[in-house]
Amino acid sequence: DIQMTQSPSSLSASVGDRVTITCRASQSISRSLNWYQQKPGKAPKFLIYAASTLQSGLPSRFSGSGSGTDFTLTISSLQPEDFASYYCQQSYSTPPTFGQGTKVEIK
Amino acid sequence: EVQLLESGGGLVQPGGSLRLSCAASAFTFSNYVMNWVRQAPGKGLEWVSSISSSGDITFYADSVKGRFTISRDNSKNTLFLLMNSLRGEDTAVYYCAKGFCGGGSCHWYLFDYWGQGTLVTVSS
Repeated sequence: DIQMTQSPSSLSASVGDRVTITCRASQSISRSLNWYQQKPGKAPKFLIYAASTLQSGLPSRFSGSGSGTDFTLTISSLQPEDFASYYCQQSYSTPPTFGQGTKVEIK
Repeated sequence: EVQLLESGGGLVQPGGSLRLSCAASAFTFSNYVMNWVRQAPGKGLEWVSSISSSGDITFYADSVKGRFTISRDNSKNTLFLLMNSLRGEDTAVYYCAKGFCGGGSCHWYLFDYWGQGTLVTVSS
């Protein structure tokens, strides 16, 4: 199975900050990397697929990059509604696997 | 708006069985891969199973293979997960998730809409 490792596991930031979350795959997954946002008690929300394609209707402050084994999710200017956990997920091979999550908290 | 509504969760003893359902609406259910993803309390997301649009192809996580069965009824827009021989480690919120179609193709293992989840607790 492909292991996905996110860093950091948690971070504290202020509204307006630029935030970057890293996801590393245990082997190359080309650009088959997706990002989800989850707020407490809620279902995950689909943010980005194919490493950098923003899901329709989502704000452009979210962006993704990377290929191979190293990927990043960037929030250019953190908004109050962005405080949540973020998960990366590879869709390159079976089984699909998720990172352990990054919790973005208010500073 | 796409809606996915899970039901069937609850408290069950180790070794017991449950059948989860997911009622879908506001999209052409029979055109999409469907999936189950679970989340143990306070933990991350774990993929459980996926089924093709026609129901003839299925995949399972090793942790549930041989115990869980995914199926669908396209005439009733409903996805199912039959869970047998349940263990404590199966305790989780189970989410139904719709497969994503974009860029001219439909994808396995991309989850664009999720239900609210149903809690399964395996305990004596």
